[in-house]
Amino acid sequence: DTAVSQTPKYLVTQMGNDKSIKCEQNLGHDTMYWYKQDSKKFLKIMFSYNNKELIINETVPNRFSPKSPDKAHLNLHINSLELGDSAVYFCASSQDFSGGTQETQYFGPGTRLLVL
Amino acid sequence: GENVEQHPSTLSVQEGDSAVIKCTYSDSASNYFPWYKQELGKGPQLIIDIRSNVGEKKDQRIAVTLNKTAKHFSLHITETQPEDSAVYFCAASKGNGQNFVFGPGTRLSVLP
Repeated sequence: DTAVSQTPKYLVTQMGNDKSIKCEQNLGHDTMYWYKQDSKKFLKIMFSYNNKELIINETVPNRFSPKSPDKAHLNLHINSLELGDSAVYFCASSQDFSGGTQETQYFGPGTRLLVL
Repeated sequence: GENVEQHPSTLSVQEGDSAVIKCTYSDSASNYFPWYKQELGKGPQLIIDIRSNVGEKKDQRIAVTLNKTAKHFSLHITETQPEDSAVYFCAASKGNGQNFVFGPGTRLSVLP
């Protein structure tokens, strides 16, 4: 029973292409996130969604856009891919965004994106 | 915004020894401090967390201490085992998710 799943696990593509990464959580959580982990392992939050509303939008390029078809899914769309977008992207979810005792974030296995 | 520093960046210990990883944060409003373990090829997994109303928390071989005045918190792993080898991340948050900031990570190697 995978709590947070992502597809694909690996994604190799050419510069300029548009791609999507899918994320699903079966934990019944209210909030979902996307993180980027660079080659130095540094984790940086990109977006979070709560009840289908974007409530954090860090300073990421507008080529990146999160899409949430329902509470259990938060997909990441990337347009006009650039070399610098190569990284590992992690989806995560948590029960309560407002800081209650269930703020623990559960991470997916990651999607390794390589832009050539 | 919040800034989280973490030391050391790499740590090697002999099996059975203890390991300590330290983090400092800058925003005194932060009140939630989780620690994550990331194994090779996997996503980060929560191993322990602490809130600002608690000074210490322990779970078997893992403990976390928090000094709010000095704005630092530490992860302690006792009786280390080879399977403890991984990258460990600390993080700080105000509890509303907006400043969930990770430290740069510590690569722990437990030598058999």
